[in-house]
Parts: sequence; C-alpha cells; structure tokens
Amino acid sequence: KNQVEQSPQSLIILEGKNCTLQCNYTVSPFSNLRWYKQDTGRGPVSLTIMTFSENTKSNGRYTATLDADTKQSSLHITASQLSDSASYICVVSANSGYALNFGKGTSLLVTP
Amino acid sequence: DVKVTQSSRYLVKRTGEKVFLECVQDMDHENMFWYRQDPGLGLRLIYFSYDVKMKEKGDIPEGYSVSREKKERFSLILESASTNQTSMYLCASTGLYQPQHFGDGTRLSIL
Repeated sequence: KNQVEQSPQSLIILEGKNCTLQCNYTVSPFSNLRWYKQDTGRGPVSLTIMTFSENTKSNGRYTATLDADTKQSSLHITASQLSDSASYICVVSANSGYALNFGKGTSLLVTP
Repeated sequence: DVKVTQSSRYLVKRTGEKVFLECVQDMDHENMFWYRQDPGLGLRLIYFSYDVKMKEKGDIPEGYSVSREKKERFSLILESASTNQTSMYLCASTGLYQPQHFGDGTRLSIL
C-alpha cells in the first residue's frame, strides 16, 4: 500500500532559527515528490518538485532533498520567518494514474 | 497565474439537505479534483475528472457525486448531507506536468 509518513507532526521554533521536516514514503513506482505549504485558511501551494534523478532543489529559503534509495525526503527551512508558520505537506506521485499520495503534514509555528 | 475559485469559503447546511460545492479554474486544465481535509487525516481524494463529463472515484466517494459539464467547472454534490461530512473541501486542477493548483477551500458545517 502506498504510504507517505511525515515527521514531526508539529514543531515550534524561534524566528531566525533553521528547521528540517521529514518525509518517508513507500510509493511505487515513484514519479515525483512535491512539498506544499498550506497557510491557515488557504489551499496548499507547491514549493518544490523532486524527480527520481534530483537530490536537492531550492526555492529561496526552502531546500528540499531526496534520497530515492531510502525513499526519504526532507525540507529544510533556513532563517525562519513568522510567515513560515503553516502546514507543510509532502505529496508523492506514482507513475500510474492521476492520484497523489498525501502525507498528513507537519504543522510549523514560528514564534518571535 | 492559475486561479482556482471555490464558490463559498464557509457554508452551513442542515442534515438531509442537498449541497452543491462549485469550483472554477481559469487555465483550461483537463484534470480537476475534489478532496476533503480533516485534522489528523490529511487530504483524501473524493472524486476526480480528466475531461468533460468524465469522472473517476477517489478513495472516499461514498455519499458524494460530481458533475463536470464544462471544462472549467467541477461541482461536488452531497446528495443528503450528514454530520460526518462536516469538513474542509478543497478543489484542485492540473495540466500536464504541472503541480496541482488548489482553491482556498470551503469549510462546510452540517448541523
């Protein structure tokens, strides 16, 4: 069964600090992995996409890594800002069909 | 910029009512999706459509139906609303090799 597990479930950090969110998956055959950011009361917005051959991809202060061998991804946030407070969702696509496999998200709170 | 618009941000209905949730996208995307999002469960796919008048069941279609009469519009219908359908409903659309673009959701309460 295709599964996507995220950790931690929630995280509180001080403004300016770095943090790393984890995503482990069992989706097969793997097509791509995306990280989405969902602000409270809004829909998710795509941050990065990783395909099988990519190890690292950055989007501003967000850096995603992918280890396709161990089926793990991480999202590193550098110099956090209050606006980074949101839920971060890992989404993995299989090669077949349209359906996506969603993690349950990590809720990040950045405090002053 | 892709825009996915859901007709209502908040909706309150009564048990047994027929409820319509509307979604419109402006990017001529073939694929459209309806999800519900519940605390601790994440996003779960209800139905999706890959073309006009075409629909496919997702993981939790029971109690729901959909309609896609025009390419830009995808409607979710709760035939007889029940309290366990209280949730956040998210619509999304996507084109080839693109991420899913989500609307801002409809928070539906069934009393």
